[in-house]
Amino acid sequence: QQPVQSPQAVILREGEDAVINCSSSKALYSVHWYRQKHGEAPVFLMILLKGGEQKGHEKISASFNEKKQQSSLYLTASQLSYSGTYFCGTEYGGATNKLIFGTGTLLAVQP
Amino acid sequence: ETGVTQSPTHLIKTRGQQVTLRCSSQSGHNTVSWYQQALGQGPQFIFQYYREEENGRGNFPPRFSGLQFPNYSSELNVNALELDDSALYLCASSRRSGGLYNEQFFGPGTRLTVL
Repeated sequence: QQPVQSPQAVILREGEDAVINCSSSKALYSVHWYRQKHGEAPVFLMILLKGGEQKGHEKISASFNEKKQQSSLYLTASQLSYSGTYFCGTEYGGATNKLIFGTGTLLAVQP
Repeated sequence: ETGVTQSPTHLIKTRGQQVTLRCSSQSGHNTVSWYQQALGQGPQFIFQYYREEENGRGNFPPRFSGLQFPNYSSELNVNALELDDSALYLCASSRRSGGLYNEQFFGPGTRLTVL
């Protein structure tokens, strides 16, 4: 039941946009998005709940399609600091805090 | 507000030994979850502690055990270490309050190497 992320990797130039997708085969309660830089802890970006509630950083946007059990993270006007590996973490059956993390998407932003 | 802290930062052990990793949760948080992250992989859920009791477990054998203390800090113990236990061990704290949101905040991790 590990969610699948796509793409696996993406290379951008500064200022370009990217979309990272997270798909589950099982009904989701919530999706959490994290960014992890090499050798560091994952940093919380956003949480999206079924029903449309969401909470996160102002500069990050994401969507949650309950019918398709998918979430997408939108990175606009990318900056060098956006580089890292992005993980979605999924919750099933309620606010259990037991996250099942996806396969990860490596994002590299070049000058 | 103090963030999540973990100790030690790095640890080297040999097969068959035992190890204890420690985590101090963020101020105001009452739930601690432990994750194992192998190189190039996403974190894998080990177990969670809430109000000093184990509250859910992932697909890890019983030689992985834990504790939560009254101040909500937590320990992860691994017995009979195997080479495959080499990984980054992350703890994440959150506040279970009956609300909608339960954002988890991660500590810096403990890098365990088993030789």
